[in-house]
Amino acid sequence: NAGVTQTPKFQVLKTGQSMTLQCAQDMNHEYMSWYRQDPGMGLRLIHYSVGAGITDQGEVPNGYNVSRSTTEDFPLRLLSAAPSQTSVYFCASRAPRGYNEQFFGPGTRLTVL
Amino acid sequence: SQQGEEDPQALSIQEGENATMNCSYKTSINNLQWYRQNSGRGLVHLILIRSNEREKHSGRLRVTLDTSKKSSSLLITASRAADTASYFCASFTGTASKLTFGTGTRLQVTL
Repeated sequence: NAGVTQTPKFQVLKTGQSMTLQCAQDMNHEYMSWYRQDPGMGLRLIHYSVGAGITDQGEVPNGYNVSRSTTEDFPLRLLSAAPSQTSVYFCASRAPRGYNEQFFGPGTRLTVL
Repeated sequence: SQQGEEDPQALSIQEGENATMNCSYKTSINNLQWYRQNSGRGLVHLILIRSNEREKHSGRLRVTLDTSKKSSSLLITASRAADTASYFCASFTGTASKLTFGTGTRLQVTL
């Protein structure tokens, strides 16, 4: 199993540009989440999904959209990038039964100029 | 807001010493989890302790949980340079769908 994969690893955007961060998992996990990590802030939950077709907001959802058309994929879209969205983004997945451990992708380092 | 707050924010010890990190959380939990993050990498799950457990061991890791104080501690015994990383506690808030993290402790183990 590849686990949780994320692309790209690095990205530089200009203010106002849009882009999609890709996340895929091959563990048949129903639960998937997106986090951003900023210095001194730990990880903050952006959006999460409990299954295909079902998404919900986390702590910091503004400026981001998600969709979940398949169990495997959970893309994160930045509609109009802002410098405040400069961060490292992590995707994670876990099995739904019980309160289980999460498996994380390697992260995407995004810089918005 | 963060569910957990780790203490200390940073810890520097020598190889062979023990490292203790503490986590305080705000709401009642089903379980509490600890994760490690090496620089520039994703988080890796270390250990999970359920709310009805008070102590759990895994190799050189020892986790305690005090639900009356809403706190947990992670002890790494006989630390090694390879233990240098950031450590985060995490718990589910509200429902089983949202796992939220504390702010982390940066551990530096020197030779």
